[in-house]
Amino acid sequence: AQSVTQPDIHITVSEGASLELRCNYSYGATPYLFWYVQSPGQGLQLLLKYFSGDTLVQGIKGFEAEFKRSQSSFNLRKPSVHWSDAAEYFCAVGAMKTSYDKVIFGPGTSLSVIP
Amino acid sequence: ETGVTQTPRHLVMGMTNKKSLKCEQHLGHNAMYWYKQSAKKPLELMFVYNFKEQTENNSVPSRFSPECPNSSHLFLHLHTLQPEDSALYLCASSQWTSGSSYNEQFFGPGTRLTVL
Repeated sequence: AQSVTQPDIHITVSEGASLELRCNYSYGATPYLFWYVQSPGQGLQLLLKYFSGDTLVQGIKGFEAEFKRSQSSFNLRKPSVHWSDAAEYFCAVGAMKTSYDKVIFGPGTSLSVIP
Repeated sequence: ETGVTQTPRHLVMGMTNKKSLKCEQHLGHNAMYWYKQSAKKPLELMFVYNFKEQTENNSVPSRFSPECPNSSHLFLHLHTLQPEDSALYLCASSQWTSGSSYNEQFFGPGTRLTVL
């Protein structure tokens, strides 16, 4: 069965520091991988996605993620965090079903940013 | 309007009330989804509609009743809810193509529901 784990429930970083959020997935075939961000009271915004090709994926807001098949990981990184990056981050894996495109979400990592 | 919109953004209702949540997508997609996001829990898929037909019901209690009159609109009718149904309800849409490729889902801002 497909699953997504995010080992860190909560992370606190100082503004300007680098950030790495971890994600591991379990999926039998080539995965479709996503990172979403959710600000308080808001819906989900897609940061980036990996479908195929280059394993280093660039996204919006200066984020990037690297797909490592051997480690079943898709970690999210940002070189310098801004206070506005404080939010909940969700890693997800997509799977094609017979009648729709399924998404399995991880439990999320809450990011706090210290000024 | 662009993307996926949801109304209302906030809703407070008593356990005996009947209310409806509305979702509209302006992306020309053919599949629409309802998710429930409770505190400290991963997003839970509730229902999926493909070309207006329900293709997934993830063991959702009958007090939640979805309706999809066309590919652009999705409703979630609520009646005799329980306090534990308080959550953020998210709508999403995607362009499903049979067997060829995966297409991502686009999410609305959600409706924050509080059941008293």
